[in-house]
Amino acid sequence: GAVVSQHPSWVICKSGTSVKIECRSLDFQATTMFWYRQFPKQSLMLMATSNEGSKATYEQGVEKDKFLINHASLTLSTLTVTSAHPEDSSFYICSVTGGGLAGIAYEQYFGPGTRLTVT
Amino acid sequence: GENVEQHPSTLSVQEGDSAVIKCTYSDSASNYFPWYKQELGKGPQLIIDIRSNVGEKKDQRIAVTLNKTAKHFSLHITETQPEDSAVYFCAADSNQFYFGTGTSLTVIP
Repeated sequence: GAVVSQHPSWVICKSGTSVKIECRSLDFQATTMFWYRQFPKQSLMLMATSNEGSKATYEQGVEKDKFLINHASLTLSTLTVTSAHPEDSSFYICSVTGGGLAGIAYEQYFGPGTRLTVT
Repeated sequence: GENVEQHPSTLSVQEGDSAVIKCTYSDSASNYFPWYKQELGKGPQLIIDIRSNVGEKKDQRIAVTLNKTAKHFSLHITETQPEDSAVYFCAADSNQFYFGTGTSLTVIP
């Protein structure tokens, strides 16, 4: 499967500041990456779909002005949490598709996650 | 949209016994069903998947079965080991991945 890295693995920031999380696909070019959020003991919640060279598609209820996504290359997508607040504290995980044509199922491979704590 | 239900939420088994986790889905258009293992503080790891044109798939101690008519699929782990202890998530692909609520598996040595 694909190898995906995230940086940082954990970060603590003060309320009101912004934090950038990087997601890298190390061994293949990913045209699409996904950003998920996971609260303790809960399932993964899709936040947005990140497409290389175009605007991200956000899920209902996710503030696009708060969670800025940039997919500038086929191997890098970034998620910036702007004006972070304690309620933004969570585990953020990215994933990349394994490929596949439109209409055909594709695998998703996940990064190791980033633990964000906002104080 | 798709609705994926997963049971049980917690499961404890003795080492060497089998573990079965079941998921149901609602969208008959879903055609890809992966299973992920997530250890504490880590990202989910794809352990096995099955596509809608197959009824069963096996990889060593892990197997997945799919019943498209009934819209359910199951993960089977045989000869469980302590390192199998983790949270397992099922998912169904209906234009995007819809995840189950997770099963916390504990294998007791």
